[in-house]
Amino acid sequence: QQQVKQSPQSLIVQKGGISIINCAYENTAFDYFPWYQQFPGKGPALLIAIRPDVSEKKEGRFTISFNKSAKQFSLHIMDSQPGDSATYFCAASQYSGAGSYQLTFGKGTKLSVIP
Amino acid sequence: GAVVSQHPSRVICKSGTSVKIECRSLDFQATTMFWYRQFPKQSLMLMATSNEGSKATYEQGVEKDKFLINHASLTLSTLTVTSAHPEDSSFYICSARQWDRGPEAFFGQGTRLTVV
Repeated sequence: QQQVKQSPQSLIVQKGGISIINCAYENTAFDYFPWYQQFPGKGPALLIAIRPDVSEKKEGRFTISFNKSAKQFSLHIMDSQPGDSATYFCAASQYSGAGSYQLTFGKGTKLSVIP
Repeated sequence: GAVVSQHPSRVICKSGTSVKIECRSLDFQATTMFWYRQFPKQSLMLMATSNEGSKATYEQGVEKDKFLINHASLTLSTLTVTSAHPEDSSFYICSARQWDRGPEAFFGQGTRLTVV
């Protein structure tokens, strides 16, 4: 059972455009929603994260929009650049006891920004 | 920011041999470390969770005798793939979190294992 559904699987955006990646979840126990950026052959890097008590968070060109009632969240990349071309993973975390948290990842979106 | 260093970045080993991958937190104490496996063009699959000084907790379907995890200190965890076979070839990634930093986790750069 896939707990975090991510779409689209791949995305091609013109340079300067807006890239939008969407995720949906079912488990209402999730309380932390990070986005990771991964380049080929590298580990994921934390990009931006949000808690469910906030509807939007912006850091530079990256914005997370969060809709708690719909159980959906999305990543917006403004003014997309070729250097943003990477695979993006949404994730959701819940407390699993004894001070431990477990991350559940979406399947990833391969973003290609073309000049 | 918190830095997690993983070594080696690439390793090739012969079938039947064992290989050890190290994961170090460089500037924080990692009370919990996670090991993931990632197949090409796929998402990260959690293999096991380890807390410092405790036995690792393995996810369903992951052979604990094949993938030995040791988390002996607050800055080092190791994953040993024992008696490796070609089907163990994959990208292995560790992540670490600090007990007082909530759910935030930081990832290593990954290890590409090729078993020939």
